[in-house]
Amino acid sequence: EVQLVESGGGLVKPGGSLRLSCAASGFTFSSYSMNWVRQAPGKGLEWVSSISSSSSYIYYADSVKGRFTISRDNAKNSLYLQMNSLRAEDTAVYYCARGWSGFDPWGQGTLVTVSS
Amino acid sequence: QSALTQPPSASGSPGQSVTISCTGTSSDVGGYNYVSWYQQHPGKAPKLMIYEVSKRPSGVPDRFSGSKSGNTASLTVSGLQAEDEADYYCSSYAGSNNFVFGTGTKVTVL
Repeated sequence: EVQLVESGGGLVKPGGSLRLSCAASGFTFSSYSMNWVRQAPGKGLEWVSSISSSSSYIYYADSVKGRFTISRDNAKNSLYLQMNSLRAEDTAVYYCARGWSGFDPWGQGTLVTVSS
Repeated sequence: QSALTQPPSASGSPGQSVTISCTGTSSDVGGYNYVSWYQQHPGKAPKLMIYEVSKRPSGVPDRFSGSKSGNTASLTVSGLQAEDEADYYCSSYAGSNNFVFGTGTKVTVL
């Protein structure tokens, strides 16, 4: 079964840092682009970042550029999102998702709350 | 990059059809055949329903269909069923290696 499981969310103060992880199983992780998408409470979906299968290509939304860093470890079947200089508006459920022309599947999400 | 525009809500009776629009620009929806649609039930992760404008992933019922004309994409759900009640989001590649999502539509089965 193809599965993505996020972890690492929690409560952090403004200006703080957090590292999210996404563990993949059930497919050849190293063959797929991967993505992070977030959803603020009660709001819509927002694309955050994408990384190609070999990490050669990395892209960010303007809202997180310079603060967030996406990475992956194909040997560990894992995707990461390092989030620095966090702001209140970064509060959201963060999902990892596989693919490029259609994100499928998605993990269950991990909640990040930025508050003092 | 501005979010794609979707109607806030849509509804239909069981067995009827409902169509959701997704309006963008020539820089996203109109410029690429990389429009996808996602279904999200409350408290759950989104699920891919349509990709590359009109392709259905394995396991998605053929009651779900997608199309595009100019800068507007559409998702049609035929033969509405109770389990189709959910939020639906469109998404498009927006060039310069960016993606953009729609504002979301809540579908209610009357």
